[in-house]
Amino acid sequence: EVQLVESGGGLVQPGRSLRLSCAASRFTFDDYAMHWVRQAPGKGLEWVSGISWNSGARYYADSVKGRFTISRDNAKNSLYLQMNSLRAEDTAFYYCAKDNTRAWGGFDSWGRGTLVTVSS
Amino acid sequence: DIVMTQSPDSLVVSLGERATINCKSSQSVLYSSNNKNYLAWYQQKPGQPPKLLIYWASTRESGVPDRFSGSGSGTDFTLTISSLQAEDVAVYYCQQYYSSPFTFGPGTKVDIK
Repeated sequence: EVQLVESGGGLVQPGRSLRLSCAASRFTFDDYAMHWVRQAPGKGLEWVSGISWNSGARYYADSVKGRFTISRDNAKNSLYLQMNSLRAEDTAFYYCAKDNTRAWGGFDSWGRGTLVTVSS
Repeated sequence: DIVMTQSPDSLVVSLGERATINCKSSQSVLYSSNNKNYLAWYQQKPGQPPKLLIYWASTRESGVPDRFSGSGSGTDFTLTISSLQAEDVAVYYCQQYYSSPFTFGPGTKVDIK
């Protein structure tokens, strides 16, 4: 069974940076696109960013464009999200999700999430 | 950006009865070159990550019970639970992956009457 484990969340002050990681296992990582999706406590899902299988395409939500950077290391089976200039509204659970294609399809596996809290 | 809307916001259905959730996109998510609708449905139970139920608008994910079905094309889509079970209590989201940003609908909460 696919395993996705996020790490790197925590409490951070507004304006600071944080880097999330997602360790993937039990599937051929470089065959699939990957995504970050967030969910503020008690709220709905918000897609944050996606990256194609070979990093050739990277997309971002308008709310994070210019502040967040998605990347992947296929040799390490890992996905990352570098978050800069964090704001209170970035507070959320951040999920790593596997696409069911090399580019864009449904998100067929999800991690348990890591909580990011932006507060002074 | 494609805006996704869902109706109703919440739904209370008796055990064994049909539940129907509607999803509408602000522009078509049908890709003409392959005749596929870039639309997925997810189920999220409290304290759990979302689970993919349906992709390409009507293809059921492996392991998903056949009481779940998806239909629709273009801008209007429906998720149907043919006979609601207690374990189906959850929030259901539609999502388009036709174009970035890959937006989700606001969710529909389903409860048992």
